[in-house]
Amino acid sequence: SQQGEEDPQALSIQEGENATMNCSYKTSINNLQWYRQNSGRGLVHLILIRSNEREKHSGRLRVTLDTSKKSSSLLITASRAADTASYFCATALSGGYNKLIFGAGTRLAVHP
Amino acid sequence: NAGVMQNPRHLVRRRGQEARLRCSPVKGHSHVYWYRQLPEEGLKFMVYLQKENIIDESGMPKERFSAEFPKEGPSILRIQQVVRGDSAAYFCASSPPQGQGGNSPLHFGNGTRLTVT
Repeated sequence: SQQGEEDPQALSIQEGENATMNCSYKTSINNLQWYRQNSGRGLVHLILIRSNEREKHSGRLRVTLDTSKKSSSLLITASRAADTASYFCATALSGGYNKLIFGAGTRLAVHP
Repeated sequence: NAGVMQNPRHLVRRRGQEARLRCSPVKGHSHVYWYRQLPEEGLKFMVYLQKENIIDESGMPKERFSAEFPKEGPSILRIQQVVRGDSAAYFCASSPPQGQGGNSPLHFGNGTRLTVT
């Protein structure tokens, strides 16, 4: 079973709406990271949140981390058609180097 | 500043042939990771290398797959005697040297899409 699992698997919204994606994991982590992947491309790092942090912002992105529930959420506010992509959470395990374990991702479609 | 460069972008091989995938990390990065991605799935860790050393190959099949990151030149992921099940996108990522626990994001290349016919 995967360390990180996102839900929903797919999300379809209109431009201007907010998009929320969730991620759950199983073991203790050092940090959790969110990445974006456009079709046919590599992953682009969005935001990293450490295990001792609860919330982090970057532009229209807001990430929360609840280590007691082993879960994280990514909120994209005021979405744009250009936000259409797959979004993955990845965990770096405690005591380890930066070997990331990825979930299966959320496919976001933002319609103009 | 060049990012992670992977080549080729697309590779077609017949069953039984060898596939060689190359990855040049970001300049100054000494840590390289290889991941495999099947359609509609997340990335699966294969191997983590530092210059001239394999640190963790727990995600790499024991047979037919090998990886290296020589002192000079790119990292190479080699798949011998390819089978149809090897068809996937293979991504390389790099990061700078860091302490245990690593708090640096990975920089990914655009991947090599391997098709085995």
